[in-house]
Amino acid sequence: ELKVEQNPLFLSMQEGKNYTIYCNYSTTSDRLYWYRQDPGKSLESLFVLLSNGAVKQEGRLMASLDTKARLSTLHITAAVHDLSATYFCAVDSGTASKLTFGTGTRLQVTL
Amino acid sequence: EPEVTQTPSHQVTQMGQEVILRCVPISNHLYFYWYRQILGQKVEFLVSFYNNEISEKSEIFDDQFSVERPDGSNFTLKIRSTKLEDSAMYFCASSGTGQIGFYEQYFGPGTRLTVT
Repeated sequence: ELKVEQNPLFLSMQEGKNYTIYCNYSTTSDRLYWYRQDPGKSLESLFVLLSNGAVKQEGRLMASLDTKARLSTLHITAAVHDLSATYFCAVDSGTASKLTFGTGTRLQVTL
Repeated sequence: EPEVTQTPSHQVTQMGQEVILRCVPISNHLYFYWYRQILGQKVEFLVSFYNNEISEKSEIFDDQFSVERPDGSNFTLKIRSTKLEDSAMYFCASSGTGQIGFYEQYFGPGTRLTVT
C-alpha cells in the first residue's frame, strides 16, 4: 500500500524567512502533485512533477522531485502572509489511478 | 476555463438518512473520482469510475456508498444511511481526455456534509 508522509505537520514561520516542506512516499511513482488548501476550500493545484529531477517554480514556491529517493520538496522563499495555508503532496499509482495524499503541512506565516 | 462543479455546497442531514451528492465533471473527461476529507485531516480516496463502472474503491467505500453516472453530465455519490462519521468534505474530481499522456485530476469545490 502506497504511503505518503509529509513533514513538518505544522510550520510557523516569520515573513521573509525560507523553509522547506518534505514529502516522502513508499513505492515507485514518477508523478507527484502539490496542492494548496485554504480553510474550508477546495484543493488548488500548485505543481505537477512528472519525472525524476523535475523542478518547477511559481513565485516564492519551488518544488522538486527525486524519484530515486522517493522524495519531493516544496521550498518557500521569503515567505509572505498570503502563503498561509495547508499544503498537501499527492502521488498517483498509475495513469488515471487514485491519488494518495500526504498528511498535509499547515503553514502559518506571521508578520 | 472548464471546471468541475458540485452541489450542494453544504448539506445537513440526520443520521440514518440517505444523501446524494452531485458533481458535474469537465465535459470531455472520462475518469471520475470521489474523495473525502474529515475536518483537519488528509484527503482520502473513495472511488474511481470509468466507462460506467467502478474501476477502484477504497475500504471506506462500503455497501453504504454507491456511485452513478445517470446521464452524460452528472456523477453522483449516494450514501444510503448516513452515520455521524460520514461528516466530511466530499470532493469530486475528473481527468483524462483519452489522448495519450498523463491525466491530471481537477477537483471541484466540495460539498460539506454534516450528519447530526
